[in-house]
Amino acid sequence: DTAVSQTPKYLVTQMGNDKSIKCEQNLGHDTMYWYKQDSKKFLKIMFSYNNKELIINETVPNRFSPKSPDKAHLNLHINSLELGDSAVYFCASSQWDEQFFGPGTRLTVL
Amino acid sequence: KNEVEQSPQNLTAQEGEFITINCSYSVGISALHWLQQHPGGGIVSLFMLSSGKKKHGRLIATINIQEKHSSLHITASHPRDSAVYICAVSRNPYNTDKLIFGTGTRLQVFP
Repeated sequence: DTAVSQTPKYLVTQMGNDKSIKCEQNLGHDTMYWYKQDSKKFLKIMFSYNNKELIINETVPNRFSPKSPDKAHLNLHINSLELGDSAVYFCASSQWDEQFFGPGTRLTVL
Repeated sequence: KNEVEQSPQNLTAQEGEFITINCSYSVGISALHWLQQHPGGGIVSLFMLSSGKKKHGRLIATINIQEKHSSLHITASHPRDSAVYICAVSRNPYNTDKLIFGTGTRLQVFP
């Protein structure tokens, strides 16, 4: 039973399109995150939600909109995709201590 | 300059060697994390520590809060240890604050 799951695993799309990535955790954690890993493998936080409420919003363009329908889900919607959005996006969850990461979604914008 | 620096950036070793990866940080932290990212891309948390030393199998992590430095040691390295090792720090004891990541150390262990 996967602890943190993401869909899709791969996403290839044209510039200007709108796409969503879904994340679900079955660990009962209160906190969920979205991270972006660029082509140089550098990880950076984008958003953090605690119990469905936005806690952290790093300087991410407002084309990116996270949505947490319940504390087990944190989805990421991206409008008007740009070439620079190509990256691997990781979802994670935590409760007090270690973070559990999803398998990542590789987004390629053509 | 990144708030979390790792060294070396790349590391190659022969099977069986003792390996050390270093992490220095410049901010106040509540905890330091060591993560492992395999070639397939998945990220696994290895350790979270705020003081002293932790050991899991062949992996040992130490932290010196005064010196703002941590080390990850791998004893009797094996090719399956080949991965990117990432140091990250968190600044909130309840872990709802962000992680700040180092740039990672790519380790290759040859048989």
